[in-house]
Amino acid sequence: QQQVKQSPQSLIVQKGGISIINCAYENTAFDYFPWYQQFPGKGPALLIAIRPDVSEKKEGRFTISFNKSAKQFSLHIMDSQPGDSATYFCAASIWNTDKLIFGTGTRLQVFP
Amino acid sequence: DSGVTQTPKHLITATGQRVTLRCSPRSGDLSVYWYQQSLDQGLQFLIQYYNGEERAKGNILERFSAQQFPDLHSELNLSSLELGDSALYFCASSVDGQGEQPQHFGDGTRLSIL
Repeated sequence: QQQVKQSPQSLIVQKGGISIINCAYENTAFDYFPWYQQFPGKGPALLIAIRPDVSEKKEGRFTISFNKSAKQFSLHIMDSQPGDSATYFCAASIWNTDKLIFGTGTRLQVFP
Repeated sequence: DSGVTQTPKHLITATGQRVTLRCSPRSGDLSVYWYQQSLDQGLQFLIQYYNGEERAKGNILERFSAQQFPDLHSELNLSSLELGDSALYFCASSVDGQGEQPQHFGDGTRLSIL
């Protein structure tokens, strides 16, 4: 019940396209859902995060869509760029515990 | 640059040995977290400290221990090392270790067990 399932494992998108990464969870106590971006040789970096009281959050080309009833959330990267090529992790935590449960990661490759 | 410093960047040692990984959090951050990243297990939360006290524990083996010192730097001690302990170990820090405060990750220590 502590798992966060992430798909796909890898994703190839053409420059300018939309990249979509999906995550699902079981534990209804989760109430904070961040996305992290990781480049090779670097640690994960927070990209965008959402609380379950909103269904969508947008920051620039990055949007999180959240479906509380389905216990699913997704990351959309609009106008994908080669510089977006990285591994993306969804995560979840219970408010005030700060213990992040990570998904298994999606390796995104954006080709020009 | 996240502001979190981890040393060493790489560590190569043998089975049965003991190593210490060090983490300096961002200036002003009171909470430190340790994660293990391996190919088969992904990113796994190990343990969290807040202002010197243990706050949360995850899938940390009994052979592993950590502490946070008065100057807020943290050390992760791994003993009786096994081949399966080979992984990337990340440290992260946050302001107060609660709720939505983002965790800032260092660039990790790559541990290779021969």
